[in-house]
Parts: sequence; structure tokens; C-alpha cells
Amino acid sequence: DARVTQTPRDKVTEMGQEVTMRCQPILGHNTVFWYRQTMMQGLELLAYFRNRAPLDDSGMPKDRFSAEMPDATLATLKIQPSEPRDSAVYFCASGLVQAAGTNEQFFGPGTRLTVL
Amino acid sequence: TQLLEQSPQFLSIQEGENLTVYCNSSSVFSSLQWYRQEPGEGPVLLVTVVTGGEVKKLKRLTFQFGDARKDSSLHITAAQPGDTGLYLCAGAGSSNTGKLIFGQGTTLQVKP
Repeated sequence: DARVTQTPRDKVTEMGQEVTMRCQPILGHNTVFWYRQTMMQGLELLAYFRNRAPLDDSGMPKDRFSAEMPDATLATLKIQPSEPRDSAVYFCASGLVQAAGTNEQFFGPGTRLTVL
Repeated sequence: TQLLEQSPQFLSIQEGENLTVYCNSSSVFSSLQWYRQEPGEGPVLLVTVVTGGEVKKLKRLTFQFGDARKDSSLHITAAQPGDTGLYLCAGAGSSNTGKLIFGQGTTLQVKP
């Protein structure tokens, strides 16, 4: 049963610290997405990659957030320095995007980040 | 900018009741998906509808895509406590970037 995995599941850190979240997409999927979910804003797209190349990171605060895919089995989202307003649940999702496809996405369990 | 509006935002009902959740937009989507999210977990894909007017059934859940592919509905018959969760609709644009536009979600609570 193929699944998207994310680590850590929970992270509590202090303001100013660096946070790194990791995601292993489903093998064979060519597109990886990073989302942030809060009660106020709902699910927001931060960035996404196609075949490991960044396609769009316009949803991300660029001064402190960075997203990379060092290889096909790992996507990372870093926040440096972290701020209390970054507290949220961060989801990774992957999908196989094809010319005539339906863009179905499969989500990981999320990383709950609390910045004190 | 494409937007999807879901209604209602919150719904609290008794076990056995029926309910309908709506997802509306002024934009046309090439496909539309419904997800359910339980506390502490990520959204899980329930169904994808592609053709205008399409109706899909998943046990007690019935999904419909509007004829013009701008709106969708989710109807649950005889709701059960296990149906409790956040329901999200998400639309795919015609450019096939892979991106989805998500609605704000409908939080459903089914009381025993």
C-alpha cells in the first residue's frame, strides 16, 4: 500500500530556530506539493515540483522558506528563522500528472509545527 | 483567480440524517475531487469527477459534477458518526499544471 510519508509528525521549536520537514513521495509520482493548513486560511499551496524541478513557489515567504528535492525519494521544506506565525500543519502530497490526467493528489499525514 | 466556495462551512447533525455539501465556482474545471480529512491526518481522496453531469456513488455518498463543470455536490444518506470529518472539494484547471484549487472545507459532525 503506497503512501506518502512525512517526518517529523510533530515539532515544537523556539522562535528563530531552523526547522526542516521531510517528505517521501509515492514511488513513480512525478509531482510533489507542499501545503500549509491553518484554521483561518485553510489549505494553502506553498510550492510544487515536477520531476524534481521547482515549478511554482509563489505561495512561500521566500525570505525564510525554502523547498528542495535532492532526489526523487526526498522533498524537504525548511524554515529559517522560524516565527510563531509559522505554526501550522504542513502537508506534502504527491501525484502523477499526465497530459490527460485528473491531477489526483495523495497526501501524507502532515507535520504539526508549533513555534513558541 | 479561480476560487471554490463550499457551503455550509459547519454542519452538526444526528446519526441517520441526510445532508448535502455544495462546492461552487464561476470557473470551469477539467475535473473535481472530493477529499475527507480526519483529525491529525492528511486529506484522503474519495472520488474524482470529470464529465459534466457525472454522478458517482460510494456506498452512502453520492457525488455530482455540474453540467457546466463549475460546481459539485456531495450528498450523504443516513449519516453515521464515522462520516465525521472535514470535507474538501478541489478543482483542476484546464492547463494541467497539476495544481488543485481547494475549497475552504465543510466540517461535518455526526452525533450518535
